[in-house]
Amino acid sequence: GENVEQHPSTLSVQEGDSAVIKCTYSDSASNYFPWYKQELGKRPQLIIDIRSNVGEKKDQRIAVTLNKTAKHFSLHITETQPEDSAVYFCAAYLIRNDMRFGAGTRLTVKP
Amino acid sequence: EAEVAQSPRYKITEKSQAVAFWCDPISGHATLYWYRQILGQGPELLVQFQDESVVDDSQLPKDRFSAERLKGVDSTLKIQPAELGDSAMYLCASSLGLAAGETQYFGPGTRLLVL
Repeated sequence: GENVEQHPSTLSVQEGDSAVIKCTYSDSASNYFPWYKQELGKRPQLIIDIRSNVGEKKDQRIAVTLNKTAKHFSLHITETQPEDSAVYFCAAYLIRNDMRFGAGTRLTVKP
Repeated sequence: EAEVAQSPRYKITEKSQAVAFWCDPISGHATLYWYRQILGQGPELLVQFQDESVVDDSQLPKDRFSAERLKGVDSTLKIQPAELGDSAMYLCASSLGLAAGETQYFGPGTRLLVL
C-alpha cells in the first residue's frame, strides 16, 4: 500500500519568511496530492492540491510542487502570517479515493 | 456553505463500554469516510462507503468496530467494547464520488476519551 512520509514535524518561522514542507510517497501509481490545514480544535480543510500530470500549482501565497520521478511533493508558503500557524497534512491518493496522510507538520509563525 | 456534521463532539467513556458516533455528509455526496486521528498523527482511514455499500474496510478492527450507512446518507460508527487505545479523534469526511481528485470535506470530529 501507499506510505507517505512528511518532514519536518515542526517548523517555526518569522512572520514574512517562507515555509516549506516536504512529503515523499512510495507508490508510483498515486496520482493526486492534496494538502490540508488543521487549526487547533478544527476540522482539516483543503488548501491546495495537485494532480500527477502537473508539476507546479500556485494559489496566491501557497504553491505546491510535484516531482514524480523522485516521488516527492512540497508545500511552499510565502510571506507567512500568524494566521498560517496550524498543522499541515499532505496526502497521496492511490485508488478509489483511498488517501494516505502524512503525520503532519506543526507550523508556528512568530509575529 | 454546506458542511459535514458529526455528533457528539466529545465523548468520555469507560473501557468495555459501547460508544457510537454519527455523521451526516454534505447533501449529494455519495462517498463517506470514517478516519481515526491519533494525537500528533495524520488521519487513518477506517472505512469507506459508496452510497450504502462498503468500498473499503480493510483497516477497520472488525472484532470491535462496526459501521453502517443504511440509506446511503448518514452513517454510524460503533465501538464495542471500547479499549484504552481507542482514545482518538474520529473524523468523518464526504466527497461527491470515488474519482481521482474528488475533494474530501471533513466534519469537526468526535474526540473520544476512554478511561
